[in-house]
Amino acid sequence: AQKVTQAQTEISVVEKEDVTLDCVYETRDTTYYLFWYKQPPSGELVFLIRRNSFDEQNEISGRYSWNFQKSTSSFNFTITASQVVDSAVYFCALSEFQGLVTTDSWGKFQFGAGTQVVVTP
Amino acid sequence: DTEVTQTPKHLVMGMTNKKSLKCEQHMGHRAMYWYKQKAKKPPELMFVYSYEKLSINESVPSRFSPECPNSSLLNLHLHALQPEDSALYLCASSRTLTDTQYFGPGTRLTVL
Repeated sequence: AQKVTQAQTEISVVEKEDVTLDCVYETRDTTYYLFWYKQPPSGELVFLIRRNSFDEQNEISGRYSWNFQKSTSSFNFTITASQVVDSAVYFCALSEFQGLVTTDSWGKFQFGAGTQVVVTP
Repeated sequence: DTEVTQTPKHLVMGMTNKKSLKCEQHMGHRAMYWYKQKAKKPPELMFVYSYEKLSINESVPSRFSPECPNSSLLNLHLHALQPEDSALYLCASSRTLTDTQYFGPGTRLTVL
């Protein structure tokens, strides 16, 4: 069963528009981490944010913001005033743990399918 | 500094060749990973090393052989690959198994 769903395959916007990427996850664990990564055409996955399951505070970093809602199992990502350089594939990922996180814990990354963002001038 | 380096950037090999991919990090991370990514798909985990020991092998065919000579270096030895093994191979590292993974730029592998 897919644990991370990114329903939007591709989003196209014109520069300066805002774009929101949806991420819905499924887990029975109480301890887990959520991530967003950006993959530009060059191929490297660039880490954007990590959020643990006990921290529901939303976060803003420059033009990026994240909305974490445990009640709806969502961790959405918004790019404000998009730029051409934002064109990339964005992946949401879930890392689960059973019980407490210890040095022996292993939280396999489960990636969503990714959302291609295309920003045109 | 969150840099993971990978060499080569591109590799073309025949099905009878033996080649190796290299990954290096100098962040003091003790966990390192190999992922395989096909076009328009998310990365798929292949192997995980923790403290230089193989922790996870995701049922990867034996034609892929990982090696972790020291805490900074991770290799992936390739032998008798198939055309369907053509993909982007990504290396990642993290401080421990529970921490954020930082990825390298990848090696684009083409098997003829």
